[in-house]
Amino acid sequence: DAKTTQPPSMDCAEGRAANLPCNHSTISGNEYVYWYRQIHSQGPQYIIHGLKNNETNEMASLIITEDRKSSTLILPHATLRDTAVYYCIVRLASGGGADGLTFGKGTHLIIQP
Amino acid sequence: GAVVSQHPSWVICKSGTSVKIECRSLDFQATTMFWYRQFPKQSLMLMATSNEGSKATYEQGVEKDKFLINHASLTLSTLTVTSAHPEDSSFYICSASRSVWDGGNEQFFGPGTRLTVL
Repeated sequence: DAKTTQPPSMDCAEGRAANLPCNHSTISGNEYVYWYRQIHSQGPQYIIHGLKNNETNEMASLIITEDRKSSTLILPHATLRDTAVYYCIVRLASGGGADGLTFGKGTHLIIQP
Repeated sequence: GAVVSQHPSWVICKSGTSVKIECRSLDFQATTMFWYRQFPKQSLMLMATSNEGSKATYEQGVEKDKFLINHASLTLSTLTVTSAHPEDSSFYICSASRSVWDGGNEQFFGPGTRLTVL
């Protein structure tokens, strides 16, 4: 799986949009970008994933650059409960999920009241 | 949908004893489950891949005789830490992968089990 680079930490004011960047310059054509988050002392939670088109769901939006070398996860209206470590993971989406995930260090997002 | 549970949520045991952790997919069948370990202030590390009805595949550096994995059904995988020692104290997290013909291949994580070995 391609390597990803994320800032170690970010702050965001409550109610504002949180924009979390991720670089994945070695991503290959058949690799997806996945985002998970981990709230302290809990298991990771799936947020969103995409291949090349921008994606949106009830939790967040994912913006992938045209060259696919970077992406941004957007939490449109951050709340205190969004404080967590956010992981950007690049992986193949094939084989029925037969491969485990490789977690980097992620971005510790702190939402400030 | 796609809920994964773990039991127990935390356990304290004496050095030398064995501890079993259960991972269940509550509302879907998981042909593949994964076990991760997370030490304080570190990221999750994949320990092993568990496939229903076959032997688990362990990552390099993980002792298969110490961390016994059984995936007896499509909804249950167990991790047994044998002869636990204080250095095995960690946060153990499982995930379950939904079969691709069932709508996707996302992994859904359990809430984790905090193991403390005295």
